[in-house]
Amino acid sequence: NAGVTQTPKFQVLKTGQSMTLQCAQDMNHNSMYWYRQDPGMGLRLIYYSASEGTTDKGEVPNGYNVSRLNKREFSLRLESAAPSQTSVYFCASSALGGAWGYTFGSGTRLTVV
Amino acid sequence: QQPVQSPQAVILREGEDAVINCSSSKALYSVHWYRQKHGEAPVFLMILLKGGEQKGHDKISASFNEKKQQSSLYLTASQLSYSGTYFCANYSGGGADGLTFGKGTHLIIQP
Repeated sequence: NAGVTQTPKFQVLKTGQSMTLQCAQDMNHNSMYWYRQDPGMGLRLIYYSASEGTTDKGEVPNGYNVSRLNKREFSLRLESAAPSQTSVYFCASSALGGAWGYTFGSGTRLTVV
Repeated sequence: QQPVQSPQAVILREGEDAVINCSSSKALYSVHWYRQKHGEAPVFLMILLKGGEQKGHDKISASFNEKKQQSSLYLTASQLSYSGTYFCANYSGGGADGLTFGKGTHLIIQP
């Protein structure tokens, strides 16, 4: 089925460990995004990529890095995980940025202990 | 800046109507509406571009007042399947920078 695929679905990390969240879309969308969702906070933008080869910071980029590997894939890396990064992470894609509806992946539930 | 949604929560009986409001302090190019069920990803409902148009999707419709930077989501004759958290999201235009989401409105539909 067409859509956005995220891996892993669940992850537990120890403080200081690193990990990469993977995201791939097969809809030929240009724009891709990483959001985090915390209780009562809505979704907050971490990083985005308007097109292949470009990435930009969003509202809460500290502690994260991203790579737009190709048009399909957009990964999020935590270099040294902290308890404050415990959250649910969603990847999304759009054909025309904010002028088009977003399609979200199923999310990654990350716990940092 | 994050759009402000109201109310924060609504409890309805099946068949009743609901209105969810969303307001922004800055000029908008578009307003999006999403629904998220517990433990799932947000799902796109509709987009309203500046111009004050109203859109409909089954018994769910929305309006966008560009001058007031306000949008409203209307759910008529609510069904049990409408339960979830509804988010509005703003886009100011000028590039592909991401949407800014509100904190959400929890909608509970009871039989």
